[in-house]
Amino acid sequence: RKEVEQDPGPFNVPEGATVAFNCTYSNSASQSFFWYRQDCRKEPKLLMSVYSSGNEDGRFTAQLNRASQYISLLIRDSKLSDSATYLCVVNGDTGFQKLVFGTGTRLLVSP
Amino acid sequence: NAGVTQTPKFRVLKTGQSMTLLCAQDMNHEYMYWYRQDPGMGLRLIHYSVGEGTTAKGEVPDGYNVSRLKKQNFLLGLESAAPSQTSVYFCASSHHWGRESYEQYFGPGTRLTVT
Repeated sequence: RKEVEQDPGPFNVPEGATVAFNCTYSNSASQSFFWYRQDCRKEPKLLMSVYSSGNEDGRFTAQLNRASQYISLLIRDSKLSDSATYLCVVNGDTGFQKLVFGTGTRLLVSP
Repeated sequence: NAGVTQTPKFRVLKTGQSMTLLCAQDMNHEYMYWYRQDPGMGLRLIHYSVGEGTTAKGEVPDGYNVSRLKKQNFLLGLESAAPSQTSVYFCASSHHWGRESYEQYFGPGTRLTVT
């Protein structure tokens, strides 16, 4: 079983739609969770950290469910510029500074 | 403040050739990392460093060596390139405090093709 699993997509949505991605992780001892965004042929960049209580940043909401070991990302009012690959990231079991990256979920927002 | 930079951006090697990828960061980060990214595989950690003069193996270290002689630089070496090392290589750096994971800042990547 992969340490971090994501649906690769692509998710095709129209502008203004709400879209949600889920990610599951296998290491119950993981303490840090993140969503990174990666544009085509670019480097990954941190979108947001995911806290136990859930957190929101503008149109983006991240949730953590420790019992079921999954993380979610909700994007409201999708923009064309949201088209990218979203990487679910969890700290690995061999060190808190070593991150394990999911393979990513591709989002395509169309006019 | 350039963040994390990588050189070169692109390189084509023949099997058996050697090369060094250079990563530099100007954020005074303690931790530095080298990843490779392949289609369908996600980012995989090759080697990492927790400080000047220290290095450690990651998930896929075979065929690579690293050095961190200065805090701001982290070099990745391929002694004898193989076609299986065709990939996009990303360097990253982060702060370290306590037991939490902090944001990793990535360089723009190096696209390496080994023929």
